[in-house]
Order: sequence, then structure tokens, then C-alpha cells
Amino acid sequence: QKEVEQDPGPLSVPEGAIVSLNCTYSNSAFQYFMWYRQYSRKGPELLMYTYSSGNKEDGRFTAQVDKSSKYISLFIRDSQPSDSATYLCAMSPTSYKLSFGAGTTVTVRA
Amino acid sequence: NAGVTQTPKFQVLKTGQSMTLQCAQDMNHNSMYWYRQDPGMGLRLIYYSASEGTTDKGEVPNGYNVSRLNKREFSLRLESAAPSQTSVYFCASSPGGSEQFFGPGTRLTVL
Repeated sequence: QKEVEQDPGPLSVPEGAIVSLNCTYSNSAFQYFMWYRQYSRKGPELLMYTYSSGNKEDGRFTAQVDKSSKYISLFIRDSQPSDSATYLCAMSPTSYKLSFGAGTTVTVRA
Repeated sequence: NAGVTQTPKFQVLKTGQSMTLQCAQDMNHNSMYWYRQDPGMGLRLIYYSASEGTTDKGEVPNGYNVSRLNKREFSLRLESAAPSQTSVYFCASSPGGSEQFFGPGTRLTVL
């Protein structure tokens, strides 16, 4: 069983819809949680970074962490075609080693 | 401010050949990392360097070696390439913690 599970999709939504992405994990030591966005043939870019449980909002993006359920989510409101990308969740206990999900490919249709 | 740069962008090798992938960062970050990305597998850590002068194995180190040349540069060497090493390789850097910043990647094909 993988340490981090992420549904690979693909996910296709119309422009303006809410995109909901999630990951589950098994390691209760994870404290730091991240979402990366990766456009085709590019490197991942850090989108959201949260520590421990709770919510974090940045513009159209909201990240949620529920450590009791070992479940994290990313919501994209008012989705745009430019949001079409692969979204990777990542998490870490206390230091350097990140564990990544396999990524979910999202297409926002104009 | 270029961030993290990687060379080359593309490379084709024959089985048994060797090569070095170069990575440099201009953000004065302490930590640097090498990952490989394969379809359906996500990003897997090959090696990392928590600070200048130190290197440690990650999840999939076999067949690779690394050198932390100075604070800016971290290279990955394939001594005898195998088809199983066909992948996209990403270098990343971090100020020292979990936030990592990635380069554009090197697409390697081993025939």
C-alpha cells in the first residue's frame, strides 16, 4: 500500500465549476502538507502549503487538512481553462523527505 | 533570479553509457533534491542533500550517484544507464524544510 493515495482521474469540468481534489495518507507523523501544480512538460510549482490541521485560503484556492481522518483536500473555485494541469499532493513529517501522491489530471473546458 | 536550472533538457543514451545531470539554484537554499517522475508513480526521491557537504539516499538510489559541488550545485550521475532509468528527472531546492522549488526537468531516454 502506498503511503499517499491520490486518484489519478482524469477529471474534466466546465469553466466556472468547483474542482475538488483529495489525497489520503497512512503515516500519522505527517505534519506538513502541500499541493503542487504541474503543467504539461513543466516542473511542479508550489501552490499551497499548510502545517497541521485546518484550512488555508489563497484567492480561488482552498486547502483543507483533516489529520484525524488522514485526508487532505484542495478546492478550486470559479475554475478557468488555465487551471488545466496535474495537481500533486505532497506531505512530510518534520523535515526533508516529501512523499508525493501520483497526481490528478484536471481539464477545465471553456 | 532564475530559480532552479537543469541541464540538459533532453538526453538519449544507449544502455551502459554514463552521463551527469546538472542542477543549480540561485536562491541561497541549503537543501537540494533529485527526483524521478514516472507515469502513475508520482515523484520519487533519488538522493538529497540537506546542506552543503552532506548527501543521503532517498527512496530509489540504486544506479545513481550524486555530488553536492557547492551550495548552488547538485549533480546526479548515471554510471551505467539502463532502460529502467528512462524517466523525467527533476531537481529541487529548499531553504530547509518542506517547501521545495522545482526545476524544469530533464527528459532521459535509455535505449
